[in-house]
Amino acid sequence: LAKTTQPISMDSYEGQEVNITCSHNNIATNDYITWYQQFPSQGPRFIIQGYKTKVTNEVASLFIPADRKSSTLSLPRVSLSDTAVYYCLVGDMNSGNTPLVFGKGTRLSVIA
Amino acid sequence: DTAVSQTPKYLVTQMGNDKSIKCEQNLGHDTMYWYKQDSKKFLKIMFSYNNKELIINETVPNRFSPKSPDKAHLNLHINSLELGDSAVYFCASKPRYRLAGAETQYFGPGTRLLVL
Repeated sequence: LAKTTQPISMDSYEGQEVNITCSHNNIATNDYITWYQQFPSQGPRFIIQGYKTKVTNEVASLFIPADRKSSTLSLPRVSLSDTAVYYCLVGDMNSGNTPLVFGKGTRLSVIA
Repeated sequence: DTAVSQTPKYLVTQMGNDKSIKCEQNLGHDTMYWYKQDSKKFLKIMFSYNNKELIINETVPNRFSPKSPDKAHLNLHINSLELGDSAVYFCASKPRYRLAGAETQYFGPGTRLLVL
């Protein structure tokens, strides 16, 4: 699976928009980009997934440039409850049994 | 109506003991996994099962043995526990795959193992 690089940590105040960028220079044609969120003492939880351009759901937006070598997770108006570790993953999820390869993630701390 | 459940949630035991962690998913998924998250919060795949068949076995000591009695269950048995086995163990499941696009994994709440 393509290796990803993302910031170790980020801080934000409540109500601000948070953008977390992930680099994946070796992304392959069949690879999707997936973001997971992990709260303390819980398992990772799927946030959003995309292949190209922009994807938006009720939780976040995912921006993917044309070359797909990076992606940006955007969290609008964060609250204290968004404090978590956010993982960017890249891989060919259609290959059947490919496990997820988690990097170290970005620890987001939301401050009141 | 928990999708992926694990028992126990906490497990404290002595070195050298044998213990098991159970995982059950009620999502009808074909593939199940075990991950280990160590003290540095690095999440690593251990095993992957597809319809009760072992598909992936990463570099894990032989003391760890997964067992899948049916496709809804994937248990993890650990023999001769060592201090370094202390970690949080997560079970996960996903559908086999779908051609329309990528799918996601669903994680259990984790089992916190502490070996003394």
